[in-house]
Amino acid sequence: DVKVTQSSRYLVKRTGEKVFLECVQDMDHENMFWYRQDPGLGLRLIYFSYDVKMKEKGDIPEGYSVSREKKERFSLILESASTNQTSMYLCASSFMGSYEQYFGPGTRLTVT
Amino acid sequence: KQEVTQIPAALSVPEGENLVLNCSFTDSAIYNLQWFRQDPGKGLTSLLLIQSSQREQTSGRLNASLDKSSGRSTLYIAASQPGDSATYLCAAPGSSNTGKLIFGQGTTLQVKP
Repeated sequence: DVKVTQSSRYLVKRTGEKVFLECVQDMDHENMFWYRQDPGLGLRLIYFSYDVKMKEKGDIPEGYSVSREKKERFSLILESASTNQTSMYLCASSFMGSYEQYFGPGTRLTVT
Repeated sequence: KQEVTQIPAALSVPEGENLVLNCSFTDSAIYNLQWFRQDPGKGLTSLLLIQSSQREQTSGRLNASLDKSSGRSTLYIAASQPGDSATYLCAAPGSSNTGKLIFGQGTTLQVKP
């Protein structure tokens, strides 16, 4: 079975802190994605990566950056957390050329 | 640009009822369509993936259909149970060949005992 894991289920950070969310997949997938999910807004793509060290902006990249140094790991970075980044963050992965995505359990981030 | 819509946003049914969840998409040139289940506070679990060459895909009490010409997919749940209560999302590929998915807003289903 495909397994996508995220470093934390729940996280509470203060405004201005630098926050790292990590995602690891064990299926040798080329593509990895970071989404945020908010009530009434659905899932919105923040960034995605189709190879090591490669990244592309999604629909809402402002305030975020990403890092992919190894194929299995994709990190989302909030350089200076703000309260409007309080959200559920979901990571997903897929094979190159496939639209079938597999999701991690999510990280509920609260910024106070 | 692909847009995905799910109606209704919420649905409440008594246990045992058969039900249909709807998903519509604007760009019919899709490779496949995926249905997910999400329990409160959890990630998404893939239920069914229908390839563009298929019209239906079945898994247990779930049956998903795809009609590309009309831009519609349906998820049929037979003999609903309280454990089916969750949010169901459909997702279609974005218009560019990047592996990105476009998600509907979801239908939140409540099955009452």
